[in-house]
Amino acid sequence: AQSVSQHNHHVILSEAASLELGCNYSYGGTVNLFWYVQYPGQHLQLLLKYFSGDPLVKGIKGFEAEFIKSKFSFNLRKPSVQWSDTAEYFCAVNALIYNQGGKLIFGQGTELSVKP
Amino acid sequence: KAGVTQTPRYLIKTRGQQVTLSCSPISGHRSVSWYQQTPGQGLQFLFEYFSETQRNKGNFPGRFSGRQFSNSRSEMNVSTLELGDSALYLCASRSASPGEIFFYGYTFGSGTRLTVV
Repeated sequence: AQSVSQHNHHVILSEAASLELGCNYSYGGTVNLFWYVQYPGQHLQLLLKYFSGDPLVKGIKGFEAEFIKSKFSFNLRKPSVQWSDTAEYFCAVNALIYNQGGKLIFGQGTELSVKP
Repeated sequence: KAGVTQTPRYLIKTRGQQVTLSCSPISGHRSVSWYQQTPGQGLQFLFEYFSETQRNKGNFPGRFSGRQFSNSRSEMNVSTLELGDSALYLCASRSASPGEIFFYGYTFGSGTRLTVV
């Protein structure tokens, strides 16, 4: 069965610090990869996604992620965080298996707290 | 485009009752998926519907069921509610066409917060 593992449960950073959130998945085939963010009291929003091509993908709000196929990883990065980045971040995988198109497997989430 | 709309936003039910949640996808999106979000289990896939047919189902008991109508709107039903069913239930829609998936991915609604007492 596919699974997604996020390395950190809770990360606390000061403003302007750099961010890297780890995500590893277990599935040997072709995947679509996503990072979603959930701000307090709000719905899940798509930060960025990877389907194919350049393994370094850029998303909204200055976030980027790198897909390393050999490591089954899709880590999220931001060079300088802001207080407004305080939220919960979810990594998700969609395994391209016949008839499994809409199923997203989520990691447990990483809560990011940015201190002003 | 209007977003994914879920109703109601909040529900309080008693153990043993049943509940129906509603989801209206983005116009033109034919696929609707449902997820359960809890602090302990995180986000878990319930099922996906496409063109009124269930395409995929997660590991939930038969008390959890759903359906999709011809206008792509979907409903989720939970019968014989248990305390452990208290959760945020999220609906996500996508167009299910390769081109639009590349640009938009999956769009989530704000969810229905179900509390079972």
